[in-house]
Amino acid sequence: QEQLVESGGGVVQPGGSLRLSCAASRFSFSMYNMHWVRQAPGKGLEWVAIISPDGSKRYYADSVKGRFTIFRENSKNTLFLEMNSLRTEDTAVYYCAKEKGYCSGDRCYYYGMDVWGQGTTVTVSS
Amino acid sequence: DIQLTQSPSSLSASVGDRVTIACRASQTIDKYLNWYQQKPGKPPKLLIYATSTLQNGVPSRFSGSGSGTDFALTISSLQPDDFATYYCQRSLSTPHTFGPGTKVDIK
Repeated sequence: QEQLVESGGGVVQPGGSLRLSCAASRFSFSMYNMHWVRQAPGKGLEWVAIISPDGSKRYYADSVKGRFTIFRENSKNTLFLEMNSLRTEDTAVYYCAKEKGYCSGDRCYYYGMDVWGQGTTVTVSS
Repeated sequence: DIQLTQSPSSLSASVGDRVTIACRASQTIDKYLNWYQQKPGKPPKLLIYATSTLQNGVPSRFSGSGSGTDFALTISSLQPDDFATYYCQRSLSTPHTFGPGTKVDIK
């Protein structure tokens, strides 16, 4: 069964940095777009970022643009989220997720996220 | 950016009830609308993608419909395992926004 396991969460002060990791197994990681999604305590889901299979294309939510970087190492089947200039409002459970859709040439078809990790908790607090 | 709204924000229902949750987009999103179920402390689970296609392993009591800007998730006969929060999500282009969620609890 396809699996994603996040790690790297913790407590950090405002303005600090953190790097999240997501280890993929039992599927061809390098073939898929991958997402980060977060959920603040008691709140709904917020899409954070997506990266193309080869890592050449990355898109971000406005709330994290310029502060967060999504990247991947396909040789290690691992997805990352580098988070800088953290704010208290970044406190959340962070999930990595596999995109069900696919890309054909320059065109991508997105059909939602069909595999999710269990999440890693990031707390930004002084 | 395209925004998604869901209605109702919460509902109380009984086992066996037919339940419909609406999702409206601020602009047309073609067929690229997906539905998730989330239970407390768990990651979301994809139920339906591309408006109406059932994800593998999801019971047939779940169905999706709609087009353009108006979409719906229907549970034909609510089961005890269905009490959860449901989210719609757009995926035509970035940002892949989620709706605010609809909580379904026991009447």
